Amino acid sequence: GENVEQHPSTLSVQEGDSAVIKCTYSDSASNYFPWYKQELGKRPQLIIDIRSNVGEKKDQRIAVTLNKTAKHFSLHITETQPEDSAVYFCAASPGSSNTGKLIFGQGTTLQVKP
Amino acid sequence: GAVVSQHPSWVICKSGTSVKIECRSLDFQATTMFWYRQFPKQSLMLMATSNEGSKATYEQGVEKDKFLINHASLTLSTLTVTSAHPEDSSFYICSAKTGGWDGELFFGEGSRLTVL
Repeated sequence: GENVEQHPSTLSVQEGDSAVIKCTYSDSASNYFPWYKQELGKRPQLIIDIRSNVGEKKDQRIAVTLNKTAKHFSLHITETQPEDSAVYFCAASPGSSNTGKLIFGQGTTLQVKP
Repeated sequence: GAVVSQHPSWVICKSGTSVKIECRSLDFQATTMFWYRQFPKQSLMLMATSNEGSKATYEQGVEKDKFLINHASLTLSTLTVTSAHPEDSSFYICSAKTGGWDGELFFGEGSRLTVL
């Protein structure tokens, strides 16, 4: 089955710097890759996603890149702000049918220091 | 927009009792819902796929007799933790996707279970 690996587990950056979180997946048929931000005790919030027919997607300070050949995808946050501090999860939807089933990475705790 | 709601948001129970958690899609029909478990400072682990009108599909290592899933209607799935023990204490979250290949996925608010 699908396996998603996420690195690093913790990331500390200065306000204004960029942050990059990387994930790899195992199922070559996967074609949907969302990124979630989760605050303590809350549901995950979708911040950006990418489908396998594109290599990059950007939304203001957030971007995601996908390399299907290497089976890895990355989250890039530029001009980080203290409110970006949270736990971030990557995920992959196994198989090609995008049923809504997601396999999550281990998570990255991002700390943005003022 | 579409909403998925869970109830209760938190529950405390005694060891050995059973607890039922509900997951509802409020303004769309969901033939499939998903249940996740999240221990403190860990990731969301998929437990099972809830299928309307048929048996749930459990992930490897998840005991189907302990975590009973019922999806009796297109808007409601329930997860019952039977004979709960302290190690079952966790954050349980459901999700459901609106129709179509490019439908949108929504998560419930989560249910915090504490077993004493």
